[in-house]
Parts: sequence; C-alpha cells; structure tokens
Amino acid sequence: GAGVSQSPSNKVTEKGKDVELRCDPISGHTALYWYRQSLGQGLEFLIYFQGNSAPDKSGLPSDRFSAERTGGSVSTLTIQRTQQEDSAVYLCASSSIAGRPHEQYFGPGTRLTVT
Amino acid sequence: DQQVKQNSPSLSVQEGRISILNCDYTNSMFDYFLWYKKYPAEGPTFLISISSIKDKNEDGRFTVFLNKSAKHLSLHIVPSQPGDSAVYFCAARGVQGAQKLVFGQGTRLTINP
Repeated sequence: GAGVSQSPSNKVTEKGKDVELRCDPISGHTALYWYRQSLGQGLEFLIYFQGNSAPDKSGLPSDRFSAERTGGSVSTLTIQRTQQEDSAVYLCASSSIAGRPHEQYFGPGTRLTVT
Repeated sequence: DQQVKQNSPSLSVQEGRISILNCDYTNSMFDYFLWYKKYPAEGPTFLISISSIKDKNEDGRFTVFLNKSAKHLSLHIVPSQPGDSAVYFCAARGVQGAQKLVFGQGTRLTINP
C-alpha cells in the first residue's frame, strides 16, 4: 500500500518568507507526527496529532511554527518569517492506534533551505 | 539534555560479519525502543522495536537487546550485507505517556566487501 507522502521534496526560500509543507499519512493511520533533522543531528520532535484530540505542540521551537491537520488526514506545517536556522529536512510520520502504535512510519521528507 | 545517545558516529564492518550498534538512554520511563535505518535523501525506515518489559527481540538478521539496568540497547545484524550500509538511529518512546519518539544522533554503518 501507499506510504507517507510529503511535498514538496525540496524547497528553497528567502529569509523572511513563509513556507508550507504538506504531509499525507498512510491511509487509516490516526496519529501523525512532524519531526525535523538539522545537518548532522538526530531527529527532533515538533508536533503530534491524534484523532480529534488537541495536538501535542511541545516540540515547536517558536511561535513562527504552526501545523494543522484537516479532516483527520492531510497535515500542513507552516513556518512564518523563515530564518536560516530553519534550514533542515522536515519529516512526517504516521502510526496506527491499533496494533503497534509505537511504530511510526516516515515519509521521504522535505528539504528546506533558507537563503 | 540528550536522553538518547549513540556514542559512535561511525562503524565499519566486513561483509558477512556481525554489526553491533549501540545506544544508551537516561530516562527509565521509556516504554518502547526502536531502531530505524536511513539512506541518503530518504526518510527513516522502521527496522525493529522492543518493549521495555523484554530483553530481546529478533527479526530475521536483526536482533535488538535491551539491558535495563545499564540503560543500554544494541542492534545486532548478522550476517552484514552491503545493502545494510546506512545511518542507523535508535529511538525511545513513552516518557510521561508522550507518543513522540526521542532519537539518538545516529551511527553511520559501512559494510565493506
């Protein structure tokens, strides 16, 4: 079946501009996560959505970052007034609440470069 | 505060031999531990997981060992194959009921023919 998809695969933007990154989770997965990986670092948690519950936003690094999940499926991560330190690979993952909810499946990521 | 640590940034192993990747953690409240494999320009691929109530889980060539008293886990790959060359991340879940994964910084494994 189809895995997690993300778009765009690459995004280059100028400092100060806003960007939107999209994630389409695995069909039927109710949990969705955003992480980012900066150069040479491990993955850093940003935000988690589970069904209709309030999202866990504890990993968002500043109020310039926000995310939505519409209809319990597709999610958009928005970064306003981008800064150079926002350059990273942004990864989306999803998991099923049934079975093994701890197993998260990742998309290919969006590489964001802020110039 | 690095709760999950992979102290070896790189590891080189001969094809056919055993690869052992190590990971240490500091928080005893984690309930699951996972290993992911990552190729360049791709997202991490789930490999294997282990519950904190177990000490071993095996799946084909991959075995994960958990030593709770030492707060240490390891991934064994036997036999190692060239396609295993990738960056391996360990991750942990479950502090205070949180669903997020906390990742180590990764170990680059190179399998030499």
